[in-house]
Amino acid sequence: GIQVEQSPPDLILQEGANSTLRCNFSDSVNNLQWFHQNPWGQLINLFYIPSGTKQNGRLSATTVATERYSLLYISSSQTTDSGVYFCAVERAGTASKLTFGTGTRLQVTL
Amino acid sequence: DAGITQSPRHKVTETGTPVTLRCHQTENHRYMYWYRQDPGHGLRLIHYSYGVKDTDKGEVSDGYSVSRSKTEDFLLTLESATSSQTSVYFCAISAGIRLSGSGNTIYFGEGSWLTVV
Repeated sequence: GIQVEQSPPDLILQEGANSTLRCNFSDSVNNLQWFHQNPWGQLINLFYIPSGTKQNGRLSATTVATERYSLLYISSSQTTDSGVYFCAVERAGTASKLTFGTGTRLQVTL
Repeated sequence: DAGITQSPRHKVTETGTPVTLRCHQTENHRYMYWYRQDPGHGLRLIHYSYGVKDTDKGEVSDGYSVSRSKTEDFLLTLESATSSQTSVYFCAISAGIRLSGSGNTIYFGEGSWLTVV
């Protein structure tokens, strides 16, 4: 199956700092999504981004499908950004099944 | 928010007993999924469905069965629960449409915490 690697595994930031999270994947993909899991366990969609760049407020994401990676940028981080960020991909030719990376755990401190 | 309801949200059960988790959606989406989440493993797909009575296995399907008799409901059954099935179970849905910009987005329910003692 497809391999999904996320880095870094853990990240501690002071409030207001910027960060970049990376997702590498081992095969061509139809679908790539970024999720945020908050401290209460809820999984929240951030981006559907199989290619290109999208922005939503302080968050933006870029996927370079030909080079098999995606980046999630968090600017001016806030304590509410804390949690785990997951990248998930659907390998090209498979039927809408996402494979998840093991996540980046982010802690934003005051 | 996507209309996904999981029940029960929390359950403690004994080893060897059957357990059924229910996922109900109000979005009329074609695809439904069951994932489990364990420390160090992220989320792993157990089973998924691509229509009524159409289901298939994911990467960790041993010990689990599923059924989908209606578009809106997807049931996950542990026939004889084991301690290794203690986990958080997430249901997810998607329209499975790739033509539009985000039609293939997958949305998750709030999770069901299962403890097998």
